[in-house]
Amino acid sequence: DAKTTQPNSMESNEEEPVHLPCNHSTISGTDYIHWYRQLPSQGPEYVIHGLTSNVNNRMASLAIAEDRKSSTLILHRATLRDAAVYYCIDGGATNKLIFGTGTLLAVQP
Amino acid sequence: EPEVTQTPSHQVTQMGQEVILRCVPISNHLYFYWYRQILGQKVEFLVSFYNNEISEKSEIFDDQFSVERPDGSNFTLKIRSTKLEDSAMYFCASSEMLVDTEAFFGQGTRLTVV
Repeated sequence: DAKTTQPNSMESNEEEPVHLPCNHSTISGTDYIHWYRQLPSQGPEYVIHGLTSNVNNRMASLAIAEDRKSSTLILHRATLRDAAVYYCIDGGATNKLIFGTGTLLAVQP
Repeated sequence: EPEVTQTPSHQVTQMGQEVILRCVPISNHLYFYWYRQILGQKVEFLVSFYNNEISEKSEIFDDQFSVERPDGSNFTLKIRSTKLEDSAMYFCASSEMLVDTEAFFGQGTRLTVV
């Protein structure tokens, strides 16, 4: 079973920032935090990952709490194309990603 | 941008038949995976493959399933005798490394067992 907990759904307005939370209550010291998303009728798509420090890439930012028990995926300006299910996953390796039910993000125009 | 390609996009098969789902991972990647997603449910890990052998598998991946890298480019999932409950989207993925890296997923093969 998935080790993380996320809200079932969130809503955002287009061109506004979105903060997607995740709890990592059982994360260990060597576990990375990964975020993937799944657009409708597509395969999962990598978004971002990190270990301890906050991370930025062209898609999003990842804020990791100091105790690493929570993380937040930040989409700086949501677009309609960002409507998807977002999954946070923690684990020691990429070879076995355990997906939960994720957060369904709806973006309103 | 490099991508993982899967064929066919949709496969319909009769119960009890064998099916082979094909994947071409990204060329310099060393780690390969299969996942499945039953309609309306979670994405589930099936198996990971490295250096021509299975490195990890889930409880779902029983004796009916097998994986193979028959040549330098393809990675296949075989289901020996399909059951109705095998109907799902099957996603292939690959990654360059094992840790501190991203997995690239294909668009999936929709398997329908009738």
